[in-house]
Amino acid sequence: ELKVEQNPLFLSMQEGKNYTIYCNYSTTSDRLYWYRQDPGKSLESLFVLLSNGAVKQEGRLMASLDTKARLSTLHITAAVHDLSATYFCAVTAGGTSYGKLTFGQGTILTVHP
Amino acid sequence: NAGVMQNPRHLVRRRGQEARLRCSPMKGHSHVYWYRQLPEEGLKFMVYLQKENIIDESGMPKERFSAEFPKEGPSILRIQQVVRGDSAAYFCASSPQGGNTGELFFGEGSRLTVL
Repeated sequence: ELKVEQNPLFLSMQEGKNYTIYCNYSTTSDRLYWYRQDPGKSLESLFVLLSNGAVKQEGRLMASLDTKARLSTLHITAAVHDLSATYFCAVTAGGTSYGKLTFGQGTILTVHP
Repeated sequence: NAGVMQNPRHLVRRRGQEARLRCSPMKGHSHVYWYRQLPEEGLKFMVYLQKENIIDESGMPKERFSAEFPKEGPSILRIQQVVRGDSAAYFCASSPQGGNTGELFFGEGSRLTVL
């Protein structure tokens, strides 16, 4: 059974600081996703990582993937209040079920002034 | 270009009633996935459908839950005889035909409250 674990589950940051969210998964996966969810809203796709060593950046967020270690990181640079949200990583076993994702528990990020 | 549309956005039911949640995928998408999110948890896969076919229902509870995606019209997730533990947000996602891009587009969700 594919399992996905994120840490930390709660993250309180000051504006301007850097931090990293970690996502470990238990078995080989074809791809890894990072999503953002605001309270009461749907999931917004942030990154799709397809191969070992993949690194993608968008604004203050950067995601990387190490398939050998079964680890992905989401790095936040110089946090701002607008980044406050819940962040999920998710993986798929691929094959014919690319849309069958296994999600981590989520990391609730709060950025303080 | 409308995204994935779900309705109702909020639904309140009493124990024992039925809940029907609808999902219209993005235009051109023929793959639909339903996920459930319990309070303060991640999303859990329930079922994967293509038009008129259930492809994978390994995440569906064995009783009271059913899903369909007819040739015409939206996909429907049906919960019979709801119980308090069914209170959750139910998200629908769609992907393009073939699904090889692997990218899912999520709807805004339907939030079910069982009294």
